Amino acid sequence: AQKVTQAQTEISVVEKEDVTLDCVYETRDTTYYLFWYKQPPSGELVFLIRRNSFDEQNEISGRYSWNFQKSTSSFNFTITASQVVDSAVYFCALRFNDYKLSFGAGTTVTVRA
Amino acid sequence: DAGVTQSPTHLIKTRGQQVTLRCSPKSGHDTVSWYQQALGQGPQFIFQYYEEEERQRGNFPDRFSGHQFPNYSSELNVNALWLGDSALYLCASSTGTSWASTDTQYFGPGTRLTVL
Repeated sequence: AQKVTQAQTEISVVEKEDVTLDCVYETRDTTYYLFWYKQPPSGELVFLIRRNSFDEQNEISGRYSWNFQKSTSSFNFTITASQVVDSAVYFCALRFNDYKLSFGAGTTVTVRA
Repeated sequence: DAGVTQSPTHLIKTRGQQVTLRCSPKSGHDTVSWYQQALGQGPQFIFQYYEEEERQRGNFPDRFSGHQFPNYSSELNVNALWLGDSALYLCASSTGTSWASTDTQYFGPGTRLTVL
């Protein structure tokens, strides 16, 4: 069975602080895809990043970076120098040898000015 | 380039009624997936349509059915509505024909369904 766990329910920071969101997943497959989505109050899920299980290279994209560690089944996501517009619910999701996305419960991020 | 669009934005129904939600995929996409998101939870997969056929289904009863049209747009139908069907219904579009494709699902703004 595939499962995604986001242990952090809520995170509150002051603007310009860094925010790291934790994601731990369970899967017995060797090939899978991991995603992070952002859901602002408007409700639309916005795609942020995707990572393939066979590529553990960690990257930085603007203020976003991620740390994928297959050995610990973790796919953490960091927002550097947070801004008020980053306030949203962030979801980690997993997809493997089928078509559906399995989402975690989400982490609510509040960035205060 | 239009993104994924959904209609209506909000809907209020009473128990026992039927509802139809609509989705138009992002330009160039041929696959539509539907998700249900209850308040305070992550989205749950309902089903996916490709080439006008249901390709995979999540753990939802037969009251939930769908359709995909030749222009790739899709409808989600829910019969005999329960109070528990109140949720945000999200449509996602993507491309690709196999599981190994690197397609990413792009979501629409959702339809907020309230069942009274």
